[in-house]
Amino acid sequence: NAGVTQTPKFQVLKTGQSMTLQCAQDMNHNSMYWYRQDPGMGLRLIYYSASEGTTDKGEVPNGYNVSRLNKREFSLRLESAAPSQTSVYFCASSEEAVGMGEQYFGPGTRLTVT
Amino acid sequence: AQSVAQPEDQVNVAEGNPLTVKCTYSVSGNPYLFWYVQYPNRGLQFLLKYITGDNLVKGSYGFEAEFNKSQTSFHLKKPSALVSDSALYFCAVRDTGFQKLVFGTGTRLLVSP
Repeated sequence: NAGVTQTPKFQVLKTGQSMTLQCAQDMNHNSMYWYRQDPGMGLRLIYYSASEGTTDKGEVPNGYNVSRLNKREFSLRLESAAPSQTSVYFCASSEEAVGMGEQYFGPGTRLTVT
Repeated sequence: AQSVAQPEDQVNVAEGNPLTVKCTYSVSGNPYLFWYVQYPNRGLQFLLKYITGDNLVKGSYGFEAEFNKSQTSFHLKKPSALVSDSALYFCAVRDTGFQKLVFGTGTRLLVSP
C-alpha cells in the first residue's frame, strides 16, 4: 500500500517549457487535490477533483490544467512554465467529500523554472 | 471568506516542557478544523481534526487541540515535548459553506534537548 505517489521528485524547466506532474493514490479515495507550497505562504490549493470526471479551480489555478484520468490518477500540467511557478507541488487525496476529512499527501515535486 | 492565522513563525521549547502552537480562524458558518505536521522533505501528515462535539480533541503522537468558539481559536498542545516533534505545523479550516480547506502559513516548532 503505497498511499499517494508523485512523479517526478525533482524537475528543472526553462521558461516556456511544458510538463505534467503525475499523481496516483491506491486508497480508493474519491477526492484528490493539487497544492503548491511556497515559503511564508503555506499551502495553496491549485485544483481539486471531488470525484472521477470532475475538476474545479482552487485558490491559484492560473497557468495550470488538470486531468482526473480515473479514480486513481490526477495529473497537473504546466503548459508554459514561468519562474513564478517555481515551488514544491503536493498531491493529496481524501476518502470523504472535499474538505471534510483528513487528506493524505504525497512526498512532493520540487520544481524550479529558470 | 474563510481564513486561518498562525501568529508565530517559530516556537521554541525545551524537551520535556509543554508546548502550544497557536491558531485562530475566521469562518461564516461552523468550522471544520485540522492540524497537520510536515517533517523535512516530506508531505504533510494529518494529526487531528475538530468537526463537532467535545472541545478537546486528541490526535496522533500525543498531541491534542482545544476548540474555543468564543475566541475562534484551535491551539495545538502537547504536555511534554520531544526533540522528534521538531517540524513544521499547519492549521487548516473548512467553512461549512465551502468545499476547500484553507491552510495557515505554518509554525516551525523547534524542541531543544
